Amino acid sequence: EVQLVESGGGLVQPGGSLRLSCEASAFTFSSYWMSWVRQAPGKGLEWVANIKQDGSEKYYVDSVKGRFTISRDNAKNSLYLQMNSLRAEDTAVYYCARLTTGDTTFVYWGQGTLVTVSS
Amino acid sequence: IQLTQSPSSLSASVGDRVTITCRASQGISNYLAWYQQKPGKAPKLLIHTASILQSGVPSRFSGSGSGTDFTLTISSLQPEDFATYYCQQRHSYPITFGQGTRLEIK
Repeated sequence: EVQLVESGGGLVQPGGSLRLSCEASAFTFSSYWMSWVRQAPGKGLEWVANIKQDGSEKYYVDSVKGRFTISRDNAKNSLYLQMNSLRAEDTAVYYCARLTTGDTTFVYWGQGTLVTVSS
Repeated sequence: IQLTQSPSSLSASVGDRVTITCRASQGISNYLAWYQQKPGKAPKLLIHTASILQSGVPSRFSGSGSGTDFTLTISSLQPEDFATYYCQQRHSYPITFGQGTRLEIK
């Protein structure tokens, strides 16, 4: 059974940094695009970033460009999101997701990790 | 590309037939998916490519549409279907979701 387990969330002050991790299992991690999607409390879903299988292509939503960096380590079956210059509006549950083969549909999701940006 | 779902919320009874609409601000061919999310849980993929049922999803769920107008239909509501539903386009970056439709028990 495909599993995605996020970690690294927590409380951080505005302007601070945080690194999220997502550990994948039960599939060939290096064969799939991966993604981060977030959901602010009581709000809808917002796509954050995608990364290609070998890390050579990355895409971001405008609101995080220049502040967030998506990366992966295929040897460790792990996906990361480095978040810098955090703002109150970045407060959300962050989900790691695996995309389908050949397109950007989110097939498998982790349970999410909560990031709270507050002083 | 903006996705607008209607209605934003909906009250229905077990056994009802329900339709949720998703309208795109520009044509997206059939590059649309539907997700179900229950409180405190991750979203679950129901339908991709506008009308293809994801493996393991009950056949009472169906999707249709192309271009700018799409629908998700639940043919006979079951108690476990009360949740929030989102559409998502993968035609172009940035990937976007609709604002969600909350389906409540009448």
